[in-house]
Amino acid sequence: NAGVTQTPKFQVLKTGQSMTLQCAQDMNHEYMSWYRQDPGMGLRLIHYSVGAGITDQGEVPNGYNVSRSTTEDFPLRLLSAAPSQTSVYFCASRPPQQETQYFGPGTRLLVL
Amino acid sequence: AQSVTQLGSHVSVSEGALVLLRCNYSSSVPPYLFWYVQYPNQGLQLLLKYTTGATLVKGINGFEAEFKKSETSFHLTKPSAHMSDAAEYFCAVSDSHNQGGKLIFGQGTELSVKP
Repeated sequence: NAGVTQTPKFQVLKTGQSMTLQCAQDMNHEYMSWYRQDPGMGLRLIHYSVGAGITDQGEVPNGYNVSRSTTEDFPLRLLSAAPSQTSVYFCASRPPQQETQYFGPGTRLLVL
Repeated sequence: AQSVTQLGSHVSVSEGALVLLRCNYSSSVPPYLFWYVQYPNQGLQLLLKYTTGATLVKGINGFEAEFKKSETSFHLTKPSAHMSDAAEYFCAVSDSHNQGGKLIFGQGTELSVKP
């Protein structure tokens, strides 16, 4: 199993551009989540999904959209990038009967 | 609502010394508690977790943590620090009612180990 994979590893955007951060898992996990990591703030939940077709907002959802058309994929869309969205983004997944979340390697995003 | 507070954004110890990283949580329901480690430019790796049962939990790399309900704490310890322990450590809490598996993280503690 590849586990949780994220692409790209690093991206530079200009203010106002849009992009999609990809996340995929091959463990058939129903639960998937997106977090952002900022210095001194730990990881904060952006959006999460408990299964295909079901998504909900986390702590910091503004400026981000998600969809979950399949169990495997959970892309995160930035509609109009802002410098405040410069961060490291982590995707995570877990099966509903377990407590442990499995994290991807992260995407480092710089918005100029 | 749940929250996590990690006391000390940076902790420095000498190699061979005790490691103690502090974590206090707030939760209105029985919590699940976790410690994750992040090495430079890498993702998060689970060190240990508490769900139910024994309050002293052992994890990987010689780390352990004790769940103290009366103190709402889940401090991480290791008897003897190694240079390879230098990393950032995150305490996290989730709702035992499994509301989508959301994790609430503390701010993180960066551990430095001096030779």
